[in-house]
Amino acid sequence: SQQGEEDPQALSIQEGENATMNCSYKTSINNLQWYRQNSGRGLVHLILIRSNEREKHSGRLRVTLDTSKKSSSLLITASRAADTASYFCAVNSGNTPLVFGKGTRLSVIA
Amino acid sequence: DTAVSQTPKYLVTQMGNDKSIKCEQNLGHDTMYWYKQDSKKFLKIMFSYNNKELIINETVPNRFSPKSPDKAHLNLHINSLELGDSAVYFCASSQVFLGAPYEQYFGPGTRLTVT
Repeated sequence: SQQGEEDPQALSIQEGENATMNCSYKTSINNLQWYRQNSGRGLVHLILIRSNEREKHSGRLRVTLDTSKKSSSLLITASRAADTASYFCAVNSGNTPLVFGKGTRLSVIA
Repeated sequence: DTAVSQTPKYLVTQMGNDKSIKCEQNLGHDTMYWYKQDSKKFLKIMFSYNNKELIINETVPNRFSPKSPDKAHLNLHINSLELGDSAVYFCASSQVFLGAPYEQYFGPGTRLTVT
């Protein structure tokens, strides 16, 4: 299966700390995407990183991609209570649909 | 303006009934999807339509039938509902498909509870 696997399943940190979530996948990809899902809501696209990119930034988000290890990480710096959500990675292999992992539940405690 | 909307937001029904969920997107995207998210938050694609044509039909019981009257709408009809159909169903849309990087825009979800 191409499914991304996030690690850890759950993460609890204090406000102001950094949060790091990891994603591993199994085969070659076109791109990898990260999404956020607040409780009771739909997923919101955060960032897309192409297979030929190694790092990407968006505000307090930093995503890295290591295609040799088939892994990606999402770093949220200076976390806020509003960052509390589930975070999903999704891999695109071109002619297949996005395949989502099971997510990391992040709790940011004020 | 809501980009991807779904109705209803909640749906409670009894086993054996038939129900529909509607989805509309105003983003001008060519491709729309239905996903099912189970109680463990696992998100699995069910169907994908590109320009009103069915592109992907994953292993889904044929009690589920998508219909796309135009490229802005993708509805999901479910016959003979079963307890295991209880989940949150998400509609999504994207601009490009098949080989081109794309981000998906999700609707708010429809929580279906079958009793």
